[in-house]
Amino acid sequence: ETGVTQSPTHLIKTRGQQVTLRCSSQSGHNTVSWYQQALGQGPQFIFQYYREEENGRGNFPPRFSGLQFPNYSSELNVNALELDDSALYLCASSLGVEIGEKLFFGSGTQLSVL
Amino acid sequence: GDSVTQMEGPVTLSEEAFLTINCTYTATGYPSLFWYVQYPGEGLQLLLKATKADDKGSNKGFEATYRKETTSFHLEKGSVQVSDSAVYFCAHPLSGNTPLVFGKGTRLSVIA
Repeated sequence: ETGVTQSPTHLIKTRGQQVTLRCSSQSGHNTVSWYQQALGQGPQFIFQYYREEENGRGNFPPRFSGLQFPNYSSELNVNALELDDSALYLCASSLGVEIGEKLFFGSGTQLSVL
Repeated sequence: GDSVTQMEGPVTLSEEAFLTINCTYTATGYPSLFWYVQYPGEGLQLLLKATKADDKGSNKGFEATYRKETTSFHLEKGSVQVSDSAVYFCAHPLSGNTPLVFGKGTRLSVIA
């Protein structure tokens, strides 16, 4: 059983650019959630995808968008990057959206915006 | 709104010392409560959980008891090891959904 993998592991962008982060969910999992973890903070929920549809969204602006593909892998896209977008972006997969369903996290993508 | 408050770190302990990391929560109803651990360079891993009041979650020598009266879920371990050095996050789901609300994390360093 493969774990959650994210790519790239590190990324440097400049303000105003766009970025795409990728996540492959654990085998058999149909739900992917994305989190932003700023330095010294806990992860903040961005959104969740269940069977290719957005299933919930946190307090993030529309320039944060996502996709989930038929194989349940997922992308996080951020447009018009701002300095405050610098953070570790975590992807988590799970076998459904039920309360308390165990989340399996990837190691994250460290994004630096200069 | 929903929130989780953890004790400020970093916490530095000698090997075999007793560990407590405090966590209190604000939520609608009585959600499941979780502790996640993040080892250096790795993603978060579920350490333990409790699903209802007075439940005790335990794993790898760590324990936490769901206290409804004090809205707390403090993490404890009787004898820490160097390998326990990591960042620990307390969390609970948003009302009715899987996505988690996390505390800011507490960094633990255990020295030999």
